[in-house]
Amino acid sequence: GAVVSQHPSRVICKSGTSVKIECRSLDFQATTMFWYRQFPKQSLMLMATSNEGSKATYEQGVEKDKFLINHASLTLSTLTVTSAHPEDSSFYICSGLGSGTDTQYFGPGTRLTVL
Amino acid sequence: DAKTTQPPSMDCAEGRAANLPCNHSTISGNEYVYWYRQIHSQGPQYIIHGLKNNETNEMASLIITEDRKSSTLILPHATLRDTAVYYCIVTRGGYNKLIFGAGTRLAVHP
Repeated sequence: GAVVSQHPSRVICKSGTSVKIECRSLDFQATTMFWYRQFPKQSLMLMATSNEGSKATYEQGVEKDKFLINHASLTLSTLTVTSAHPEDSSFYICSGLGSGTDTQYFGPGTRLTVL
Repeated sequence: DAKTTQPPSMDCAEGRAANLPCNHSTISGNEYVYWYRQIHSQGPQYIIHGLKNNETNEMASLIITEDRKSSTLILPHATLRDTAVYYCIVTRGGYNKLIFGAGTRLAVHP
């Protein structure tokens, strides 16, 4: 199957700082990437959908100015959590959808802890 | 996208077949049934998907009822590494978003 990587796998930061998470499709070109977050003991919640070269579409309740998404190439999307606060601590997961396919393939996730 | 109903938890003995049910009574004609699983602290792993016909791959088999209102994921010989949360998702696929429910927590024991 298609492989998606994320970096970093784990990050701890201080409140008020910004954190960037990278999502890469390693063996396919992802025309669309999705960003999810998962709080402890909960299911995945979609945050936003990004298409290469265009602005991301955010789900209701997700602050677009706080969670900046860039999808500048067919193999890389980034999520920047700006001015992070403890309530942003979560497991952030991306997925990629290749051109001509119906299936999303997920990265391993990034665990963010904001102190 | 149609909602799905799954049992919250199931147990299975190692080496036995694990049969995970999913109800999706409001599924539309152009919606697929997808199965993913999530092992603790990892991203979801794609397992299999189907539209109408039964499907089989190296990981599992997917049995969809004729009326498409329910399906069963079959892991033919469960191992301890199959312990995970299994998600049944109904979607039109492609660019359409995946809505994750609570899933079924499968515990495979020796």
